[in-house]
Amino acid sequence: DAKTTQPPSMDCAEGRAANLPCNHSTISGNEYVYWYRQIHSQGPQYIIHGLKNNETNEMASLIITEDRKSSTLILPHATLRDTAVYYCIVRPGGTSYGKLTFGQGTILTVHP
Amino acid sequence: DAGITQSPRYKITETGRQVTLMCHQTWSHSYMFWYRQDLGHGLRLIYYSAAADITDKGEVPDGYVVSRSKTENFPLTLESATRSQTSVYFCASTGSSGNTIYFGEGSWLTVV
Repeated sequence: DAKTTQPPSMDCAEGRAANLPCNHSTISGNEYVYWYRQIHSQGPQYIIHGLKNNETNEMASLIITEDRKSSTLILPHATLRDTAVYYCIVRPGGTSYGKLTFGQGTILTVHP
Repeated sequence: DAGITQSPRYKITETGRQVTLMCHQTWSHSYMFWYRQDLGHGLRLIYYSAAADITDKGEVPDGYVVSRSKTENFPLTLESATRSQTSVYFCASTGSSGNTIYFGEGSWLTVV
């Protein structure tokens, strides 16, 4: 699996957009970018994933650069409940590659 | 939704004892996983299973045994617990698309 690099920590003011970067310069053509988060040592929670196009769901937006070597997770209006560790993961899609390899992630702290 | 449940949630055991952590999912997902998370670290894959009676080692399988006699259950057994196995254990599952992996709430194990 391709490796990812994320900043260890970031801060964001409540109500503002939180933009979390991830570098994955060795990503392969068949590998997806996934984002998970973990709140207070609960089980990780799926946020979003994408291959090459930008994606949006009710939780967040995912912007992937044209060369696919980096991406940004955007939480449009961060709340205190979004304080968590955010993991960027790249892996092939499909049934044979269900396992995830977690890095250290980014600790996002949302301030009042 | 509580589609994947772990038990026990908290367990203290002595060195050398056998411990089994249970994982049950109600979605009939084909893939199931066990991860461990040590304090201040990311998740590491212990074992995974692609279907009933099919299991494979992950990153840190030593000291652990798994079985998958039924699709919905994936127990993890520590045959002779050691202090280094003190950790939080997360079970996870995903369906045939493998895109969204759902995690349980975790089992906190302390070996004294």
